[in-house]
Amino acid sequence: QSALTQPRSVSGSPGQSVTISCTGTSSDVGGYNYVSWYQQHPGKAPKLMIYDVSQRPSGVPDRFSGSKSGNTASLTISGLQAEDEADYYCYSYAGSFIWVFGGGTKLTVL
Amino acid sequence: EVQLVESGGGLVQPGGSLRLSCAASGFTFSSYWMHWVRQAPGKGLVWVSGINSDGRRTTYADSVKGRFTVSRDNAKNTLYLQMNSLRADDTAVYYCTRGGYSYDCWGQGTLVTVSS
Repeated sequence: QSALTQPRSVSGSPGQSVTISCTGTSSDVGGYNYVSWYQQHPGKAPKLMIYDVSQRPSGVPDRFSGSKSGNTASLTISGLQAEDEADYYCYSYAGSFIWVFGGGTKLTVL
Repeated sequence: EVQLVESGGGLVQPGGSLRLSCAASGFTFSSYWMHWVRQAPGKGLVWVSGINSDGRRTTYADSVKGRFTVSRDNAKNTLYLQMNSLRADDTAVYYCTRGGYSYDCWGQGTLVTVSS
């Protein structure tokens, strides 16, 4: 049950796009289309932003998109806004009713 | 309104026990997998445990297996986490969440501090 690998931090200016990667193995990210992404602001509970690799829950802006290639999933945020500054976590099913998070990425909007 | 409210956190000595509860409202609790996720101070999210809709299937992270027990009472719309043999590294905010492969609803969390 090793954590998925995410960059510790990413940054971008307002209006730009950023991509956060999430690398796992063929036993988790690569093996299932059950990758989700969560946004967490300081002191708040996480919020679901993407599920099933690329699906957006209602209410989440279409600036947020998800994808997967092999053992790596990605979250792309286009048209960066100040309120996007937060921590982002990827999450994957790892088989046998076990799940695993990524280590988290701090997004800074410059 | 869909809502999850955790309770039962607090300060406990190493080796002690604590039972967390999560009261659900605004949805058909008995239809959903439920999970516990924790976050140590200043650290990332970690999946802890899950339980299926009827309570017959439970699953745990290796770090808590044998020490924690998840259960649910569908008549009371409540999820539980019994935590025994607590260690300092169990100190965290514990969240209950709703969902199968992704979590669309989270509680506000309850803080568990293991310290002498």
